[in-house]
Amino acid sequence: EEQLVQSGAEVRKPGESLKISCKGSGYSFTTYWIGWVRQMPGKGLEWMGIIYFADSNTKYSPSFQGQVTISADRSISTAYLQWSSLEASDTAIYFCAGARNGNFFWDVWGQGTTVTVSS
Amino acid sequence: QSALTQPASVSGSPGQSITISCTGTSGDVGGYHYVSWYQQHPGKAPQVMIYDVYYRPSGVSNRFSGSKSGNTASLTISGLQAEDEADYYCTSYTRSGATYVFGTGTKVTVL
Repeated sequence: EEQLVQSGAEVRKPGESLKISCKGSGYSFTTYWIGWVRQMPGKGLEWMGIIYFADSNTKYSPSFQGQVTISADRSISTAYLQWSSLEASDTAIYFCAGARNGNFFWDVWGQGTTVTVSS
Repeated sequence: QSALTQPASVSGSPGQSITISCTGTSGDVGGYHYVSWYQQHPGKAPQVMIYDVYYRPSGVSNRFSGSKSGNTASLTISGLQAEDEADYYCTSYTRSGATYVFGTGTKVTVL
């Protein structure tokens, strides 16, 4: 069974950097797209961007272009979401989701990583 | 890139049917057959309920069905059950950025 396992909750101060991870197991995720989704407290889901494991082809949603960096290491089936300078407004739960190449729906989800940014 | 429009809330009694709409543009919902629907219970990760407008993944109840007309997609839940109470989100592939966009989300309440 395919699974995506995300790294644990993080607490950071404004201005600090952060990198969270999403590791695939139970299947070869080489031919998967991984997407990152933000859910701010009490709010809806927002697509941040997607990356293709096989060649690290990355596409960002316009609202998140330049705000975060999405990367992947296919040798360890792990995708990353990174901030260089956090803001309080980055406080949210971040989910990763997986879709097989050629599919346009997300059938594997990580458990979510809670990021809290507070001084 | 604006979020797709969904009603904020929909409610129904057990056994009834409800329909949730998801309105976009010709650049997303209307232009592609790649609309999917996700159920999210509080504190949990989303789960796909419908993909490619009307296909159901294995394991999802046949009480869930999807359709699309023009720029609006719809999710219908028939025979409403208490366990269906959750938030529901549509998402579509979008020409903008060649990525995806979510709907605003709908809270389903079972009365």
